[in-house]
Amino acid sequence: SAVISQKPSRDICQRGTSLTIQCQVDSQVTMMFWYRQQPGQSLTLIATANQGSEATYESGFVIDKFPISRPNLTFSTLTVSNMSPEDSSIYLCSGGGTGVGEQYFGPGTRLTVT
Amino acid sequence: AQSVTQLDSHVSVSEGTPVLLRCNYSSSYSPSLFWYVQHPNKGLQLLLKYTSAATLVKGINGFEAEFKKSETSFHLTKPSAHMSDAAEYFCVVSEGYNTDKLIFGTGTRLQVFP
Repeated sequence: SAVISQKPSRDICQRGTSLTIQCQVDSQVTMMFWYRQQPGQSLTLIATANQGSEATYESGFVIDKFPISRPNLTFSTLTVSNMSPEDSSIYLCSGGGTGVGEQYFGPGTRLTVT
Repeated sequence: AQSVTQLDSHVSVSEGTPVLLRCNYSSSYSPSLFWYVQHPNKGLQLLLKYTSAATLVKGINGFEAEFKKSETSFHLTKPSAHMSDAAEYFCVVSEGYNTDKLIFGTGTRLQVFP
């Protein structure tokens, strides 16, 4: 298994600004994933991040709004750019790579945009 | 395309009574299925997983789930609910064969009354 930490745990930001969320894994993982969980809803996959290549974004999410970095096998960042109140959500990262779908999740970053 | 349907958005039980959380899946092949739990203000935790081995899968905290291909179901059960079981439960399917990409159900909120 892997233990995943995220920073910050929560933040309140003004519209038009950007926030970068960090995700650290205590062991090497092949794939990392970024999800959004809007209030009272399920998880929606934003993108998949592999080391050394550009992230793969899901329908409805674009790189200009959610740029992702994956510099090594234990770290990734997600930036939420030009924020609006609609971006208020919990953002979760996870790590995987076993090939059978098992992922380990971070505690999430609770973002509020005012 | 793979998908899961959680049949109940809310389930309420009394402490000490059985728990049943229902999930149906749709898949063009034998899927990998998971149940994750999310306690308030905490990260997602894997309860159990089915990956084409035994159809009755035992997980943590006394939970188990049975894969029934004829019914395309993967219901989660526990013989006796505990107050600490109150949480959000997600039924999850892997997107494809030999992949770590997951598709989440809409979630079932379990309430446990004393």
